[in-house]
Amino acid sequence: AQSVSQHNHHVILSEAASLELGCNYSYGGTVNLFWYVQYPGQHLQLLLKYFSGDPLVKGIKGFEAEFIKSKFSFNLRKPSVQWSDTAEYFCAGGLGNTGKLIFGQGTTLQVKP
Amino acid sequence: GAVVSQHPSRVICKSGTSVKIECRSLDFQATTMFWYRQFPKQSLMLMATSNEGSKATYEQGVEKDKFLINHASLTLSTLTVTSAHPEDSSFYICSAGRGDSTDTQYFGPGTRLTVL
Repeated sequence: AQSVSQHNHHVILSEAASLELGCNYSYGGTVNLFWYVQYPGQHLQLLLKYFSGDPLVKGIKGFEAEFIKSKFSFNLRKPSVQWSDTAEYFCAGGLGNTGKLIFGQGTTLQVKP
Repeated sequence: GAVVSQHPSRVICKSGTSVKIECRSLDFQATTMFWYRQFPKQSLMLMATSNEGSKATYEQGVEKDKFLINHASLTLSTLTVTSAHPEDSSFYICSAGRGDSTDTQYFGPGTRLTVL
């Protein structure tokens, strides 16, 4: 079955701490992977995406993610988080060229000032 | 950037009534739009794919007669929750793509539906 799973459901960090959120996917075919962020009261925004090429993808606001095919993973990282990074983070997999997205369960990140 | 809007942002209705939610792509044409449902503290669940000029494609377990989708133009898709019940209360989110090869979806701000 096609699925995307996120291991961390709720993460609490202090400012300046490093962040890594896990994401694993389970499906064959074309692999398109995304990380979206949902700030409180706002709509989902694209952080970064991977379609092909360099497996290390850099996104907005200092975020990056690495696609590791052998591990079926696409973990999100940021070397130093800020209070403004407090949000819900979703990993998603795109199904080929359909445009459909399968979302992970989401991770709530709380950054303490 | 690509902007997707939804209207209304919040709606409260009585059980048994129908509610229509609009999703618009403001600065691009979208041949395909998607409707998701998000329960509190949970992830987004894809409900259906809305195709301009043709019938929507529903995901398994989603009632077609309950959630009517119409994609009347390249910039507008509507979701009508018919004969709404309290269990239909949820956050409904639409997304739209430009239709390019990157498949990036742009999300609307969502509609909070509360059925009393």
